[in-house]
Amino acid sequence: GDKVKQSPSALSLQEGTNSALRCNFSIAATTVQWFLQNPRGSLMNLFYLVPGTKENGRLKSAFDSKESYSTLHIRDAQLEDSGTYFCAAESNMGYKLTFGTGTSLLVDP
Amino acid sequence: EAAVTQSPRSKVAVTGGKVTLSCHQTNNHDYMYWYRQDTGHGLRLIHYSYVADSTEKGDIPDGYKASRPSQENFSLILELASLSQTAVYFCASSDAGTGAYEQYFGPGTRLTVL
Repeated sequence: GDKVKQSPSALSLQEGTNSALRCNFSIAATTVQWFLQNPRGSLMNLFYLVPGTKENGRLKSAFDSKESYSTLHIRDAQLEDSGTYFCAAESNMGYKLTFGTGTSLLVDP
Repeated sequence: EAAVTQSPRSKVAVTGGKVTLSCHQTNNHDYMYWYRQDTGHGLRLIHYSYVADSTEKGDIPDGYKASRPSQENFSLILELASLSQTAVYFCASSDAGTGAYEQYFGPGTRLTVL
């Protein structure tokens, strides 16, 4: 089965609303990265997390290694937040990332 | 922030032909990686390297070779391109010096095999 499961697979939001994306891991994740792939296809780094939380503007992310999940909260969604969000977990192998299949987010005016 | 560039940005190849994708990074990172992304899916690791002149197999290495002639450059080689290798290919790099392997990605190369 999938080692990194993302939910939901797709999401539509009204501008100005809030939402949360989630990743569940069936591998022993030690760190997590979150990326946004924009409509042009570029991958932008959002967060690199050891267990704990980080916040950057309207985005906040948490990683709980004991419960094997990570979340990404989007506050006051804007049109430019649209794209596909990927989480990726690094296991005890160090260097190697295992990606989820992504959450496709569309923010409507 | 890491600067990773890829060339070409897009390519059309014929079945059975040889394809070389190039990646260059300018931040002195030890690790470099090649991933492929198929439509509607996440990224899967093909090959990686942690030092020049050495490469390692990732999760899906069949049909691909890699070359790391210098710390800055990492190439992905398809000796006999097949239809199933049509995908977007991403290169990434990370600095292992601090023990944090945050990866930074290039813009991707869209490969179409006909």
